[in-house]
Amino acid sequence: DTAVSQTPKYLVTQMGNDKSIKCEQNLGHDTMYWYKQDSKKFLKIMFSYNNKELIINETVPNRFSPKSPDKAHLNLHINSLELGDSAVYFCASSPRQAYYEQYFGPGTRLTVT
Amino acid sequence: AQKVTQAQTEISVVEKEDVTLDCVYETRDTTYYLFWYKQPPSGELVFLIRRNSFDEQNEISGRYSWNFQKSTSSFNFTITASQVVDSAVYFCALSEARGGGADGLTFGKGTHLIIQP
Repeated sequence: DTAVSQTPKYLVTQMGNDKSIKCEQNLGHDTMYWYKQDSKKFLKIMFSYNNKELIINETVPNRFSPKSPDKAHLNLHINSLELGDSAVYFCASSPRQAYYEQYFGPGTRLTVT
Repeated sequence: AQKVTQAQTEISVVEKEDVTLDCVYETRDTTYYLFWYKQPPSGELVFLIRRNSFDEQNEISGRYSWNFQKSTSSFNFTITASQVVDSAVYFCALSEARGGGADGLTFGKGTHLIIQP
């Protein structure tokens, strides 16, 4: 029983294309996140959603648009992909009420050529 | 602004040695939470520990122990009798209370731990 799942695991695409990454959690958590891990392994928060409401939007280009159809899903759509978007994208979830640990998905390795 | 510093980029030790990973944080909040995550070569992020700012008690879990010292803003992680399976990148992270629990984590840059057989 996977707690936080992401699809696809690998994504190879060309510059200028539009792509989506899907995330689902079955933990009943209220809050979901997207993180980006660059080639140097640095992890940075991109977005945070609580019960389908955007809470955090760090300085991310507006080519990135998160969508939360319900509190168990948080998808990431990326328009006009650039070389610099190549990274591993992690979805995570946590309960909101207290500052519990975040549970991470397996990651999606995006390669833009 | 919050910040986490892991000054050790890479540490290499021989199996069975003890090793300590350093973490220093900065925050203006009096209520905050500290975390350690492990990222093995397979790539997933594995939660290890969470500590709130009001609990300075050290914690031990098997071969793992954590030393939290507010006076030096440090939350160090020690592995005793290291094993090859401990080889991974270890991240220290901070979450402030202001966001009502929905804030993301601020991560350090990670320490790559290599345990040689």
